[in-house]
Amino acid sequence: DIQMTQSPSSLSASVGDRVTITCRASQFVNMYLNWFQQKPGKAPNLLMFGISSLLSGVPSRFSGSSSGTNFTLTISSLQPEDSATYYCQQSYSTPGTFGQGTKVEIK
Amino acid sequence: EVQLVQSGTEVKKPGESLKISCKASGYDFSTHWIGWVRQLPGKGLEWMGIIYPGDSETRYSPSFHGQVTMSVDKSIATAYLQWRSLKASDTAIYYCARHLSTSLVAPFHIWGQGTLVTVSS
Repeated sequence: DIQMTQSPSSLSASVGDRVTITCRASQFVNMYLNWFQQKPGKAPNLLMFGISSLLSGVPSRFSGSSSGTNFTLTISSLQPEDSATYYCQQSYSTPGTFGQGTKVEIK
Repeated sequence: EVQLVQSGTEVKKPGESLKISCKASGYDFSTHWIGWVRQLPGKGLEWMGIIYPGDSETRYSPSFHGQVTMSVDKSIATAYLQWRSLKASDTAIYYCARHLSTSLVAPFHIWGQGTLVTVSS
């Protein structure tokens, strides 16, 4: 299985801050790296796929990038509604492993 | 509107069997992989497996292979996740989710609302 190591496990930031979440894959995953947002009591929501392709309706303050097997989700200006847990996931090979999650809180 | 609607909350005893469902609507059920994701209480997401409704091809995570069975009924556009003998450690929310496209490597895009399964004596 491909292991996805996500960091940090949690962070607290102020509205307007730039927030970065990283995800490292244990093996090559090509461009098949996805990011999900999950709010308490809700199903996950796909934010981004293929490293950096935003789903329709996702604010442009969210962006994704990569360097080798290291991937980054950036929120350029944190908003109150961004309070959630974020998961990376590789869909390059089965099982399509998720990272452990990063809980983002607003100070 | 593309939608997945899951069956309701289940409370079971250890050793009992269970089959939960995920009814699809708004698209051609046969053409998109559907998967199952487990979320233990207060924990992260775990990829359990996927099934292709067109021919019932399955891909299981080694962690869940032999523990659960995925199936579909194309006639009613419904996917199922089944246990033969539940354990307390199966207590979790189970989500079904459909791939964004017909590709095997596409991400989960459309999600069901989740089914809470509680296993307790």
